[in-house]
Amino acid sequence: EDKVVQSPLSLVVHEGDTVTLNCSYEVTNFRSLLWYKQEKKAPTFLFMLTSSGIEKKSGRLSSILDKKELSSILNITATQTGDSAIYLCAVGLPGGGNKLTFGTGTQLKVEL
Amino acid sequence: DARVTQTPRHKVTEMGQEVTMRCQPILGHNTVFWYRQTMMQGLELLAYFRNRAPLDDSGMPKDRFSAEMPDATLATLKIQPSEPRDSAVYFCASGFITDGFASTDTQYFGPGTRLTVL
Repeated sequence: EDKVVQSPLSLVVHEGDTVTLNCSYEVTNFRSLLWYKQEKKAPTFLFMLTSSGIEKKSGRLSSILDKKELSSILNITATQTGDSAIYLCAVGLPGGGNKLTFGTGTQLKVEL
Repeated sequence: DARVTQTPRHKVTEMGQEVTMRCQPILGHNTVFWYRQTMMQGLELLAYFRNRAPLDDSGMPKDRFSAEMPDATLATLKIQPSEPRDSAVYFCASGFITDGFASTDTQYFGPGTRLTVL
């Protein structure tokens, strides 16, 4: 059975800290790995990764995929209270529509 | 800007009643997904369609759930009869996804329908 595991499950940090969120996967076939941010509403897309070792960046957020280790990390530098959210990792599987299998998420809280 | 829309946003109903949730995908997207999210199970894929054809509905309880796409601008998820354990947030997502290497797997989520079955 395909599985996506995220760690830690939850995290509390202070504004200005740097955080690293982890995602590991066990899937029969891999096509892509995606990160989403979910505040109180729907998930919003952050990154899609398909190639190992190539960092994707958007402002203070960055992510990289390691296909050898079957994992990815999401880094957030200089955290702000607006970064408080659940961060979801999903793996895209090839064939027949490319559905996503989601992890349970990491709940991040950034305090003043 | 283009968004996935869902109606209703909230629904409270009694056990045994029929519930219909609607989704309008982003124009031009060829793939539509239905998810359910609960605290216990997280995000679960219920069903998805490519070019309006159902590709996989193995995530749905078949005896009470049904999903259809009567046209390219409307996807529906129906529960009949509803049960308290169906209480959850139901998300629709759409994307332009192909099997080709250059395809993006990005899915854009609607705001969700929060369903409460009493």
